[in-house]
Amino acid sequence: QKEVEQDPGPLSVPEGAIVSLNCTYSNSAFQYFMWYRQYSRKGPELLMYTYSSGNKEDGRFTAQVDKSSKYISLFIRDSQPSDSATYLCAMSAMIYNQGGKLIFGQGTELSVKP
Amino acid sequence: GAVVSQHPSRVICKSGTSVKIECRSLDFQATTMFWYRQFPKKSLMLMATSNEGSKATYEQGVEKDKFLINHASLTLSTLTVTSAHPEDSSFYICSAGQNIGTQYFGPGTRLTVL
Repeated sequence: QKEVEQDPGPLSVPEGAIVSLNCTYSNSAFQYFMWYRQYSRKGPELLMYTYSSGNKEDGRFTAQVDKSSKYISLFIRDSQPSDSATYLCAMSAMIYNQGGKLIFGQGTELSVKP
Repeated sequence: GAVVSQHPSRVICKSGTSVKIECRSLDFQATTMFWYRQFPKKSLMLMATSNEGSKATYEQGVEKDKFLINHASLTLSTLTVTSAHPEDSSFYICSAGQNIGTQYFGPGTRLTVL
């Protein structure tokens, strides 16, 4: 069993739809949670960061962390064609200067159709 | 967000030659940088953790003599692929750690070995 599971998709939605992306994990020590967006042939771009449990909102994006269920989500409201990309969840138990490493999900390929 | 640059963005070389890839943090000091490799439609694979002023820590299965990492300053880490072969062709991405647990990624370098 992988430490972090993420449905690779592909996921195709019409423009304006609400998109829900999810990851589950097995390591209860994880406490730093991130979502990255990666366009084709580019490096990942940090979208959302959450420490421990809770919700965080930034514009059209909302990140949720449920540590009791070991489940994290990213919601995209009013999706746009420019949101078409691969979305990677990532998490770690410690920050980097304590030896922490990011563990990534497989990435979900999202396509938003005009 | 923090900015990380990589140079070159693309490189094509002949088998047997060495290639150096630079990773720079442009607006912050990075005591720790990470080097990843990514295959098409796959997630990121951590190759090594680069610490300023000390030897890099390599992940299991990564040849340290083939992938030389130098982190000579707080803003620059380099990855040298020595005696490159076609199987080394890949997308190489660096990142810099932040003390809240996040990593900011560079735009990546696409290496093609003929």
